[in-house]
Amino acid sequence: AQSVAQPEDQVNVAEGNPLTVKCTYSVSGNPYLFWYVQYPNRGLQFLLKYITGDNLVKGSYGFEAEFNKSQTSFHLKKPSALVSDSALYFCAVRDFRDDKIIFGKGTRLHILP
Amino acid sequence: DSGVTQTPKHLITATGQRVTLRCSPRSGDLSVYWYQQSLDQGLQFLIQYYNGEERAKGNILERFSAQQFPDLHSELNLSSLELGDSALYFCASSVAGSAYEQYFGPGTRLTVT
Repeated sequence: AQSVAQPEDQVNVAEGNPLTVKCTYSVSGNPYLFWYVQYPNRGLQFLLKYITGDNLVKGSYGFEAEFNKSQTSFHLKKPSALVSDSALYFCAVRDFRDDKIIFGKGTRLHILP
Repeated sequence: DSGVTQTPKHLITATGQRVTLRCSPRSGDLSVYWYQQSLDQGLQFLIQYYNGEERAKGNILERFSAQQFPDLHSELNLSSLELGDSALYFCASSVAGSAYEQYFGPGTRLTVT
C-alpha cells in the first residue's frame, strides 16, 4: 500500500542551525513527493515537490528536499533555521492507483531563539 | 493568500443538524479536494473532484457528501452531525489531478455542541 511516514512528532532546532525534517515513503512506481507547511490557524502552503530529475529540489522560503531512492526518503532541509520557520510540516505522496495524495501525520518544528 | 476561498470561517451547530461548507477554487483550477483536520486524526483526505466529476474518495463518512458545480465551486454537506465531527475542514484546489501542487483555503472551523 502507498504510504508516507514522518517518524518525528516534533523537532527542536536552535535559530541559525541547519534543520532536517524526515520523511520516508512507500509507493509502487516512481513517486511524486510533496512538502507542505501549516502556520497556526492557516491552511497548508505548498513548499516544494519532486517528480523526476535532480535529487535535490529547491522550494520556497529557502527550503530544499533531498530525494533518496535507495532509502525511500524525502527529507526536508534548510541550512540556517529562522524562528519564523516554526510551524507544522507535512510530507505527502501521490497514490497513482486512484490519483489521491496521502499526507503524513505532520512534524511540528520549533525553532528556539 | 492562496486564491482559494471558503465560507463560512466558523460554524457552531448542534448534534443531529446538517451544514454545508462552500469552496471556490483558484481561478483556472479544475480539481477540488476536501480534507478534515482534527487533533487526534491529523489531516484526513475526504474526497476529490475534477471538472465536476468525482475523482477519488478517501475516508469520507456516508453522512457526508460533496459535489462540484459547473462553475467549479464545491460544497461539502455534513449531516446527522456528531460531536466527533468537530474539526477544521479544508478545501484545496489544483490545476488538474494530484500530480500538481494543491493550494489550500483558510478552512472552516466546525464546532458541534
